[in-house]
Amino acid sequence: AQKVTQAQTEISVVEKEDVTLDCVYETRDTTYYLFWYKQPPSGELVFLIRRNSFDEQNEISGRYSWNFQKSTSSFNFTITASQVVDSAVYFCALFSGGYNKLIFGAGTRLAVHP
Amino acid sequence: KAGVTQTPRYLIKTRGQQVTLSCSPISGHRSVSWYQQTPGQGLQFLFEYFSETQRNKGNFPGRFSGRQFSNSRSEMNVSTLELGDSALYLCASSLNSRQGYEKLFFGSGTQLSVL
Repeated sequence: AQKVTQAQTEISVVEKEDVTLDCVYETRDTTYYLFWYKQPPSGELVFLIRRNSFDEQNEISGRYSWNFQKSTSSFNFTITASQVVDSAVYFCALFSGGYNKLIFGAGTRLAVHP
Repeated sequence: KAGVTQTPRYLIKTRGQQVTLSCSPISGHRSVSWYQQTPGQGLQFLFEYFSETQRNKGNFPGRFSGRQFSNSRSEMNVSTLELGDSALYLCASSLNSRQGYEKLFFGSGTQLSVL
């Protein structure tokens, strides 16, 4: 079965706080891809990162960082020094060839207050 | 470069009617996929088209259909609308056919309300 779990429904922080969004996935395939997308109030999903199952190297891009751990089937996303513009719904997603569909988690709504 | 364009932005229909939504992908993108987003079910894959052919389909009833034209523009149609079809319908495009492996570029969606 393919599944993505984002246990945090909503997170509220004050500007400049660090925040981590959790993502746990399930798949029986050995080759798969994990994604994070951001959905601002305007509605369109914006691609943030893609990671394949063979690359466990963590990545940092500005204030964003991702921690991929196959041992715990997790692909967590951290925003350092959050800003009001980071307020959005964040989705984790999984794709594998065996299932051939992009499966999204339920999303985490992040509210950053000034 | 223009992004993914979806029209109309908002739509109000009544039960039993049918509706057609339009999506223009980014120029050069040949794959178009559709997703339904609702508060209860979240984001669910509807179908994907590449070169005018449906390459993959989600678990939706036959009332949901789509097509892609030679210029890669796509339309989706929902017939005999039900209240549960009220949702944000998102279109996404990518360069090649394997939509899952590539990053997707999404439109702002069409918000459909069925009364």
